[in-house]
Amino acid sequence: AQKVTQAQTEISVVEKEDVTLDCVYETRDTTYYLFWYKQPPSGELVFLIRRNSFDEQNEISGRYSWNFQKSTSSFNFTITASQVVDSAVYFCALSDSNTGNQFYFGTGTSLTVIP
Amino acid sequence: NAGVTQTPKFRILKIGQSMTLQCAQDMNHNYMYWYRQDPGMGLKLIYYSVGAGITDKGEVPNGYNVSRSTTEDFPLRLELAAPSQTSVYFCASSLNRANTEAFFGQGTRLTVV
Repeated sequence: AQKVTQAQTEISVVEKEDVTLDCVYETRDTTYYLFWYKQPPSGELVFLIRRNSFDEQNEISGRYSWNFQKSTSSFNFTITASQVVDSAVYFCALSDSNTGNQFYFGTGTSLTVIP
Repeated sequence: NAGVTQTPKFRILKIGQSMTLQCAQDMNHNYMYWYRQDPGMGLKLIYYSVGAGITDKGEVPNGYNVSRSTTEDFPLRLELAAPSQTSVYFCASSLNRANTEAFFGQGTRLTVV
Protein backbone atom coordinates (compact mmCIF):
# COMPACT_ATOMS: atom_id res chain seq x y z
CA ALA A 1 0.00 0.00 0.00
CA GLN A 2 1.08 3.54 -0.65
CA LYS A 3 1.83 5.74 2.29
CA VAL A 4 3.52 9.05 2.98
CA THR A 5 4.72 9.91 6.47
CA GLN A 6 5.61 13.38 7.63
CA ALA A 7 6.53 12.79 11.24
CA GLN A 8 7.11 16.45 12.05
CA THR A 9 3.74 17.98 12.80
CA GLU A 10 4.98 21.46 13.67
CA ILE A 11 8.36 23.14 13.45
CA SER A 12 9.38 26.61 14.61
CA VAL A 13 12.63 28.26 13.60
CA VAL A 14 14.06 31.71 13.94
CA GLU A 15 14.49 33.64 10.73
CA LYS A 16 17.69 32.87 8.82
CA GLU A 17 17.99 29.41 10.33
CA ASP A 18 18.04 26.39 8.04
CA VAL A 19 15.26 23.85 8.41
CA THR A 20 14.68 20.38 6.98
CA LEU A 21 11.25 18.87 6.53
CA ASP A 22 11.21 15.09 6.46
CA CYS A 23 9.18 12.87 4.16
CA VAL A 24 9.24 9.08 4.17
CA TYR A 25 7.21 7.12 1.64
CA GLU A 26 6.11 3.56 1.02
CA THR A 27 5.31 1.98 -2.31
CA ARG A 28 5.82 -1.38 -3.96
CA ASP A 29 6.25 0.14 -7.38
CA THR A 30 9.58 0.79 -8.99
CA THR A 31 8.11 3.70 -10.93
CA TYR A 32 6.68 6.45 -8.79
CA TYR A 33 6.62 10.20 -8.40
CA LEU A 34 7.15 12.40 -5.39
CA PHE A 35 5.94 15.93 -4.89
CA TRP A 36 6.15 18.78 -2.44
CA TYR A 37 3.40 21.35 -2.07
CA LYS A 38 3.25 24.50 0.02
CA GLN A 39 0.05 25.71 1.66
CA PRO A 40 0.49 29.29 2.90
CA PRO A 41 -1.97 30.83 5.37
CA SER A 42 -4.11 31.98 2.45
CA GLY A 43 -5.03 28.32 1.93
CA GLU A 44 -4.19 27.42 -1.65
CA LEU A 45 -1.76 24.60 -2.44
CA VAL A 46 1.26 25.60 -4.47
CA PHE A 47 3.32 23.06 -6.35
CA LEU A 48 7.04 23.14 -5.50
CA ILE A 49 8.72 20.13 -7.07
CA ARG A 50 8.18 16.77 -8.73
CA ARG A 51 10.68 13.91 -8.73
CA ASN A 52 10.48 10.55 -10.48
CA SER A 53 11.90 7.39 -8.96
CA PHE A 54 14.64 7.10 -11.56
CA ASP A 55 16.17 10.46 -10.85
CA GLU A 56 17.99 10.54 -7.54
CA GLN A 57 19.84 13.72 -8.21
CA ASN A 58 19.38 16.30 -5.52
CA GLU A 59 17.86 19.55 -6.65
CA ILE A 60 18.39 23.12 -5.58
CA SER A 61 16.15 26.03 -6.41
CA GLY A 62 17.23 29.21 -4.72
CA ARG A 63 16.93 28.67 -0.97
CA TYR A 64 15.09 25.39 -1.46
CA SER A 65 16.77 22.03 -1.89
CA TRP A 66 15.54 18.48 -2.01
CA ASN A 67 17.34 15.28 -1.03
CA PHE A 68 15.91 12.12 -2.58
CA GLN A 69 17.28 8.84 -1.20
CA LYS A 70 15.71 5.64 -2.45
CA SER A 71 17.76 3.58 0.01
CA THR A 72 15.88 5.15 2.91
CA SER A 73 12.64 5.93 0.99
CA SER A 74 12.98 9.57 1.87
CA PHE A 75 12.46 12.82 0.02
CA ASN A 76 13.46 15.57 2.40
CA PHE A 77 13.09 19.28 1.83
CA THR A 78 15.50 21.87 3.17
CA ILE A 79 14.96 25.60 3.35
CA THR A 80 18.17 27.56 3.77
CA ALA A 81 18.18 30.92 5.53
CA SER A 82 14.48 30.72 6.29
CA GLN A 83 12.26 33.78 5.94
CA VAL A 84 8.93 34.71 7.47
CA VAL A 85 7.29 34.15 4.06
CA ASP A 86 8.27 30.50 4.31
CA SER A 87 5.73 30.05 7.11
CA ALA A 88 3.23 27.56 5.74
CA VAL A 89 2.11 23.97 5.85
CA TYR A 90 4.19 21.77 3.58
CA PHE A 91 2.85 18.55 2.13
CA CYS A 92 4.76 15.68 0.61
CA ALA A 93 2.83 13.51 -1.86
CA LEU A 94 3.31 10.28 -3.81
CA SER A 95 1.82 8.77 -6.92
CA ASP A 96 2.86 5.52 -8.53
CA SER A 97 2.24 3.61 -11.72
CA ASN A 98 -0.20 1.17 -10.14
CA THR A 99 -2.52 3.79 -8.79
CA GLY A 100 -1.50 6.66 -10.99
CA ASN A 101 -4.88 8.28 -10.72
CA GLN A 102 -4.34 9.95 -7.42
CA PHE A 103 -1.83 11.59 -5.15
CA TYR A 104 -1.26 10.23 -1.66
CA PHE A 105 -0.56 13.08 0.69
CA GLY A 106 1.24 13.12 3.98
CA THR A 107 -0.37 14.87 6.92
CA GLY A 108 1.75 17.95 6.43
CA THR A 109 4.34 19.85 8.45
CA SER A 110 3.43 23.28 9.74
CA LEU A 111 6.47 25.55 9.61
CA THR A 112 6.56 28.80 11.53
CA VAL A 113 9.45 31.16 10.93
CA ILE A 114 9.82 33.63 13.79
CA PRO A 115 11.20 37.03 12.90
CA ASN B 1 -5.01 32.43 -16.98
CA ALA B 2 -7.47 31.47 -14.24
CA GLY B 3 -6.21 27.91 -13.61
CA VAL B 4 -8.61 26.05 -11.31
CA THR B 5 -11.56 28.04 -10.02
CA GLN B 6 -13.74 26.87 -7.16
CA THR B 7 -16.96 28.38 -5.93
CA PRO B 8 -18.11 29.19 -3.33
CA LYS B 9 -15.18 29.96 -1.02
CA PHE B 10 -17.23 29.60 2.14
CA ARG B 11 -20.57 27.98 2.91
CA ILE B 12 -22.58 27.03 5.95
CA LEU B 13 -25.12 24.25 5.51
CA LYS B 14 -27.71 22.86 7.84
CA ILE B 15 -27.82 19.14 8.45
CA GLY B 16 -29.80 17.45 5.68
CA GLN B 17 -29.37 20.21 3.12
CA SER B 18 -27.73 19.62 -0.24
CA MET B 19 -25.35 21.71 -2.27
CA THR B 20 -23.00 21.61 -5.23
CA LEU B 21 -19.41 22.76 -5.11
CA GLN B 22 -18.37 24.07 -8.47
CA CYS B 23 -14.97 23.52 -10.05
CA ALA B 24 -13.73 24.67 -13.43
CA GLN B 25 -10.33 24.59 -15.07
CA ASP B 26 -9.16 26.29 -18.24
CA MET B 27 -5.93 24.37 -18.83
CA ASN B 28 -7.50 21.58 -20.90
CA HIS B 29 -6.43 19.05 -18.30
CA ASN B 30 -7.78 15.54 -18.60
CA TYR B 31 -7.61 14.61 -14.94
CA MET B 32 -9.60 16.31 -12.22
CA TYR B 33 -9.83 15.54 -8.53
CA TRP B 34 -11.78 16.41 -5.43
CA TYR B 35 -9.97 16.26 -2.11
CA ARG B 36 -11.06 17.10 1.39
CA GLN B 37 -8.68 18.41 3.99
CA ASP B 38 -9.32 17.85 7.66
CA PRO B 39 -7.03 19.21 10.40
CA GLY B 40 -3.98 17.02 10.90
CA MET B 41 -5.19 14.52 8.31
CA GLY B 42 -3.67 15.68 5.07
CA LEU B 43 -5.77 15.51 1.93
CA LYS B 44 -8.06 12.59 1.17
CA LEU B 45 -9.33 11.85 -2.34
CA ILE B 46 -13.12 11.87 -2.70
CA TYR B 47 -13.59 11.35 -6.44
CA TYR B 48 -11.57 11.78 -9.55
CA SER B 49 -12.14 11.89 -13.29
CA VAL B 50 -9.85 10.89 -16.13
CA GLY B 51 -11.87 12.68 -18.77
CA ALA B 52 -15.33 13.86 -19.73
CA GLY B 53 -17.93 11.24 -18.92
CA ILE B 54 -15.60 9.16 -16.74
CA THR B 55 -15.50 9.35 -12.96
CA ASP B 56 -14.38 7.03 -10.21
CA LYS B 57 -14.36 6.83 -6.44
CA GLY B 58 -11.43 7.77 -4.31
CA GLU B 59 -10.71 6.97 -0.70
CA VAL B 60 -13.68 8.73 0.94
CA PRO B 61 -16.61 8.91 -1.55
CA ASN B 62 -19.55 8.27 0.77
CA GLY B 63 -22.02 11.12 0.90
CA TYR B 64 -20.79 12.70 -2.33
CA ASN B 65 -21.48 12.50 -6.04
CA VAL B 66 -19.74 13.92 -9.07
CA SER B 67 -20.26 14.33 -12.78
CA ARG B 68 -17.98 15.33 -15.62
CA SER B 69 -19.99 16.39 -18.65
CA THR B 70 -17.23 18.60 -20.05
CA THR B 71 -13.45 18.69 -19.83
CA GLU B 72 -13.60 21.98 -17.97
CA ASP B 73 -16.12 21.32 -15.20
CA PHE B 74 -16.15 18.84 -12.33
CA PRO B 75 -18.87 19.67 -9.77
CA LEU B 76 -19.10 17.89 -6.43
CA ARG B 77 -22.55 17.25 -5.02
CA LEU B 78 -23.27 16.82 -1.34
CA GLU B 79 -26.57 15.14 -0.61
CA LEU B 80 -28.04 15.25 2.90
CA ALA B 81 -25.18 17.14 4.50
CA ALA B 82 -23.82 15.77 7.77
CA PRO B 83 -21.51 17.35 10.38
CA SER B 84 -18.81 14.86 9.33
CA GLN B 85 -18.66 16.66 6.00
CA THR B 86 -17.43 19.84 7.64
CA SER B 87 -14.08 20.28 5.93
CA VAL B 88 -12.10 22.24 3.40
CA TYR B 89 -12.62 20.95 -0.11
CA PHE B 90 -10.07 21.28 -2.86
CA CYS B 91 -10.53 20.71 -6.53
CA ALA B 92 -7.43 19.99 -8.59
CA SER B 93 -6.49 19.11 -12.13
CA SER B 94 -3.51 17.58 -13.86
CA LEU B 95 -2.66 17.15 -17.50
CA ASN B 96 -2.51 13.39 -17.37
CA ARG B 97 -2.18 10.77 -14.70
CA ALA B 98 -1.02 11.75 -11.24
CA ASN B 99 2.59 11.68 -12.40
CA THR B 100 2.32 15.29 -13.45
CA GLU B 101 1.85 18.05 -10.98
CA ALA B 102 -1.63 18.97 -9.91
CA PHE B 103 -2.95 22.49 -9.88
CA PHE B 104 -5.29 23.29 -7.04
CA GLY B 105 -8.18 25.65 -6.59
CA GLN B 106 -8.32 27.96 -3.61
CA GLY B 107 -10.57 25.69 -1.63
CA THR B 108 -14.11 25.79 -0.25
CA ARG B 109 -14.54 25.91 3.50
CA LEU B 110 -17.78 24.10 4.32
CA THR B 111 -19.39 23.97 7.73
CA VAL B 112 -22.38 21.74 8.41
CA VAL B 113 -24.38 22.70 11.51
